[in-house]
Amino acid sequence: AQRVTQPEKLLSVFKGAPVELKCNYSYSGSPELFWYVQYSRQRLQLLLRHISRESIKGFTADLNKGETSFHLKKPFAQEEDSAMYYCALSPYGGATNKLIFGTGTLLAVQP
Amino acid sequence: EAGVTQFPSHSVIEKGQTVTLRCDPISGHDNLYWYRRVMGKEIKFLLHFVKESKQDESGMPNNRFLAERTGGTYSTLKVQPAELEDSGVYFCASSLTANTEAFFGQGTRLTVV
Repeated sequence: AQRVTQPEKLLSVFKGAPVELKCNYSYSGSPELFWYVQYSRQRLQLLLRHISRESIKGFTADLNKGETSFHLKKPFAQEEDSAMYYCALSPYGGATNKLIFGTGTLLAVQP
Repeated sequence: EAGVTQFPSHSVIEKGQTVTLRCDPISGHDNLYWYRRVMGKEIKFLLHFVKESKQDESGMPNNRFLAERTGGTYSTLKVQPAELEDSGVYFCASSLTANTEAFFGQGTRLTVV
């Protein structure tokens, strides 16, 4: 079955600390993985996709096919990073925006 | 900048009533998607329009849900009759092509009492 798992509902860190939001997926083919973010009172928006290999707002994510993971990392958290983060998978190699989402992780960055 | 717009932002209805949610995509975006998040669960795909045609409606939960996109512009999602388990946040998203970035609306929070 196709599934995205985000094991942490809440991750609380202090400003300046490293952040790692975990994401594991279950899919037999070649998926494309995404991270979406929803800041307070804002819309869900794309943060990054693995195929782009970009660093957005200091965040990076590496697709590890062996471990079927796509963890989101940032070396030094900022208070403005506090938001809900969703990992998502496109089962057609990114050919469609029919996405399978995880349940999300709330990142709280304390001052 | 006009993004994806959803109406209403909140709706509270009684079980058995009918509710219609509307989504206005970004102008020129042929691809329109509906998703929903039931409390405590993940955001789930409902269906995908390409212009006025349903490309994929595999996520529609049952026949109480009807989605339309007349003329390939805005879309409506009707729930008739609504049940308690339909409560959640309904998101709409649009994209220029099927594999370019999808932009989400702010969502409609539906509460069935």
